[in-house]
Amino acid sequence: DQQVKQNSPSLSVQEGRISILNCDYTNSMFDYFLWYKKYPAEGPTFLISISSIKDKNEDGRFTVFLNKSAKHLSLHIVPSQPGDSAVYFCAASARTTGAGSYQLTFGKGTKLSVIP
Amino acid sequence: NAGVMQNPRHLVRRRGQEARLRCSPMKGHSHVYWYRQLPEEGLKFMVYLQKENIIDESGMPKERFSAEFPKEGPSILRIQQVVRGDSAAYFCASSPISGVEGMNTEAFFGQGTRLTVV
Repeated sequence: DQQVKQNSPSLSVQEGRISILNCDYTNSMFDYFLWYKKYPAEGPTFLISISSIKDKNEDGRFTVFLNKSAKHLSLHIVPSQPGDSAVYFCAASARTTGAGSYQLTFGKGTKLSVIP
Repeated sequence: NAGVMQNPRHLVRRRGQEARLRCSPMKGHSHVYWYRQLPEEGLKFMVYLQKENIIDESGMPKERFSAEFPKEGPSILRIQQVVRGDSAAYFCASSPISGVEGMNTEAFFGQGTRLTVV
């Protein structure tokens, strides 16, 4: 039973355009969401996070949007750059709502390719 | 301040041998998490440890797998009598405090150990 789903295994975007990566979750106990970026042969690197008390968090070119009613979040990258090409993982945790609050539940990832 | 250090980066073991994966958390971090990534899959939680304590091992297979985080030295993930299905990337992460306190504390990941069982 996949609690965090990234339904697009891959995405190609032209340099300078917007990249939109989507993530859906099923566990209503999740209240904290994170995006990690991963290059081949490296560990995941934290990118940006959002608490369930917010619906938007912005950091430079990266913005995460959260729609709690739809149990959906998205990562927007504007403008996209070739160096953004990587696998992006969505992760969620139940930080304040229950046992296992430290556990991160990951999606399967979306491979983003930014074409110069 | 070095990041999370994992070694070895690559480990090849024959079926039936033991695999030992090491993780040194970031300086000042006392919480360690192990995750496993199978091919074409996301990372799956295995175990959460603090110094000398296993807090949650609900993601660990019941047999052959064990983990420790001693008072001195790195955290060790140990896999006994490895089988081909154990082949995966094993990632360690650390954080200064756990999410239990409700703080927005990110976990920092190491580069992983890629275990190949032949």
